[in-house]
Amino acid sequence: DTGVSQDPRHKITKRGQNVTFRCDPISEHNRLYWYRQTLGQGPEFLTYFQNEAQLEKSRLLSDRFSAERPKGSFSTLEIQRTEQGDSAMYLCASSNRGRLEKLFFGSGTQLSVL
Amino acid sequence: GDSVTQMEGPVTLSEEACLTINCTYTATGYPSLFWYVQYPGEGLQLLLKATKADDKGSNKGFEATYRKETTSFHLEKGSVQVSDSAVYFCALSETSGSRLTFGEGTQLTVNP
Repeated sequence: DTGVSQDPRHKITKRGQNVTFRCDPISEHNRLYWYRQTLGQGPEFLTYFQNEAQLEKSRLLSDRFSAERPKGSFSTLEIQRTEQGDSAMYLCASSNRGRLEKLFFGSGTQLSVL
Repeated sequence: GDSVTQMEGPVTLSEEACLTINCTYTATGYPSLFWYVQYPGEGLQLLLKATKADDKGSNKGFEATYRKETTSFHLEKGSVQVSDSAVYFCALSETSGSRLTFGEGTQLTVNP
């Protein structure tokens, strides 16, 4: 068990560029979650997958955001036409069968949009 | 919608002092309640949980009791250590369990 891995750890981009983040969950976990955390705030739910199906999306997830989990393993989160307001820490978490008491978080990808 | 409110921080204490971090919540149903901790440079980790009224969660000397009548889940520790320095998040999950709603977090610094 190597934990939840996120790549890259840091990403600096210019406004208007597209960025993609990757999350590798714990291998036997069928649920994968994305959260966003801005400075001084708690994480905010974005979306989650059960296996390859995206079951819920927050209103925070505008049409510039898209997430995939093509084979029910790793997931990607893409932000198109980035804006300065997208600057945040993007957190991935995974669990087995939706057991939130067994939810494991990655260390996150810090996005800075200049 | 659901929400979680934590006491304003940051909190600075001396080693062996008593800690209380207040947390209150608003929810439509009967949520499960959690405390998560985030150490510098690490991911969020579950500290403790309670799933129904009057349950007490405990771990590593920390405790919190689910108080339905006051909609609260305050985190307490009798004697803090320098290694407890971290950010603490209160969170809830509705009974459907698909997501967590977090409070804004409380930065705790413990000085030797």
